[in-house]
Amino acid sequence: DGGITQSPKYLFRKEGQNVTLSCEQNLNHDAMYWYRQDPGQGLRLIYYSQIVNDFQKGDIAEGYSVSREKKESFPLTVTSAQKNPTAFYLCASRSRDNTEAFFGQGTRLTVV
Amino acid sequence: QQQVKQSPQSLIVQKGGISIINCAYENTAFDYFPWYQQFPGKGPALLIAIRPDVSEKKEGRFTISFNKSAKQFSLHIMDSQPGDSATYFCAASWEGGNKLVFGAGTILRVKS
Repeated sequence: DGGITQSPKYLFRKEGQNVTLSCEQNLNHDAMYWYRQDPGQGLRLIYYSQIVNDFQKGDIAEGYSVSREKKESFPLTVTSAQKNPTAFYLCASRSRDNTEAFFGQGTRLTVV
Repeated sequence: QQQVKQSPQSLIVQKGGISIINCAYENTAFDYFPWYQQFPGKGPALLIAIRPDVSEKKEGRFTISFNKSAKQFSLHIMDSQPGDSATYFCAASWEGGNKLVFGAGTILRVKS
């Protein structure tokens, strides 16, 4: 089955720790995205990547980092610099023809 | 310029009624307008999308109405069902653009 796989589904982080969220796609899409979703705030773009080895900051990139070493993979690291990391994180991918974006099932990160 | 404004923030509709969600945009370069449906704890999924060369698109009980001159588009859900209860996001993008811009979302509850 083609799609986007995010893991883990739930993640708990202690304050001061870095954690990495995984996102893998087998849709052969060039573009990949990370969004953060907080209750009542919609989807806010953290980072996006159009091609391998290249990525750009979105609207709320502070405290996050990404890499794009392979077309299929776009991991997101939530660093200790992110002051309020508890949220639902969504990864998406999209082809170059300006059409549908496909989303993963999300990772819920909680700081304990 | 890149914002998409969505209203209402929440909506309660009786079973069998019509649900209407509205979005407005400023950037006239936008040429792809999708609506996404999201159930709790899941990633958003494409519901229906339209391009500005048509004023209306219908798929089953879901219709997008598009008003290019007013820079507005709306989602109509006919014969709303309890299973339609979800969060709905409008979005917009443009050819050559590198990201989807999302509205803030509308929480729909259909009462049985």
